[in-house]
Amino acid sequence: AQSVAQPEDQVNVAEGNPLTVKCTYSVSGNPYLFWYVQYPNRGLQFLLKYITGDNLVKGSYGFEAEFNKSQTSFHLKKPSALVSDSALYFCAVRGAAGNKLTFGGGTRVLVKP
Amino acid sequence: EPEVTQTPSHQVTQMGQEVILRCVPISNHLYFYWYRQILGQKVEFLVSFYNNEISEKSEIFDDQFSVERPDGSNFTLKIRSTKLEDSAMYFCASRGSRIGSSYEQYFGPGTRLTVT
Repeated sequence: AQSVAQPEDQVNVAEGNPLTVKCTYSVSGNPYLFWYVQYPNRGLQFLLKYITGDNLVKGSYGFEAEFNKSQTSFHLKKPSALVSDSALYFCAVRGAAGNKLTFGGGTRVLVKP
Repeated sequence: EPEVTQTPSHQVTQMGQEVILRCVPISNHLYFYWYRQILGQKVEFLVSFYNNEISEKSEIFDDQFSVERPDGSNFTLKIRSTKLEDSAMYFCASRGSRIGSSYEQYFGPGTRLTVT
């Protein structure tokens, strides 16, 4: 069975400071990893993915994520957070042979001016 | 930019009634999905659909649920006899073809189903 853990329910950060949202996963075989963001009353918006290749992947809105196979982690990062980054962030995984996404519980990010 | 759309945005129904949630996936996508999110809980996979048949379903997707792609554009989720515990946000998603190497799923804005 595949699973995702997001250990922090909420992350608070000051605008301009670096932002990190943590994610660890468990899946059989090679993982396909994804980050999504959800703004109030909106759907899940795709941010970035890791499929293969470089461990550091870059995505939309200045976000990046680092895949660490030994630690089974895929933390989301942004060097300088904006107030508009305040939202709910979801990490998701699927196996290479699979189809469905398994989501973490989500981490609420609050960026204060 | 192409988007997944869902209607209605909010559906209120009485327990035991049938509901149909509608989705229009991105036009050239081939894989279709339904997920749900009960308030305060994780987003959960319900079913995936490819080549006019279900390719995978979860334990949640029992005989009360069905999916259909009645024409070239719509993808529907039907709940035959709703229960209180079916109250949730239901998300439709779609994904492109393997040939295009599109791995990410694109989600619609959701339909909030309230069963009273």
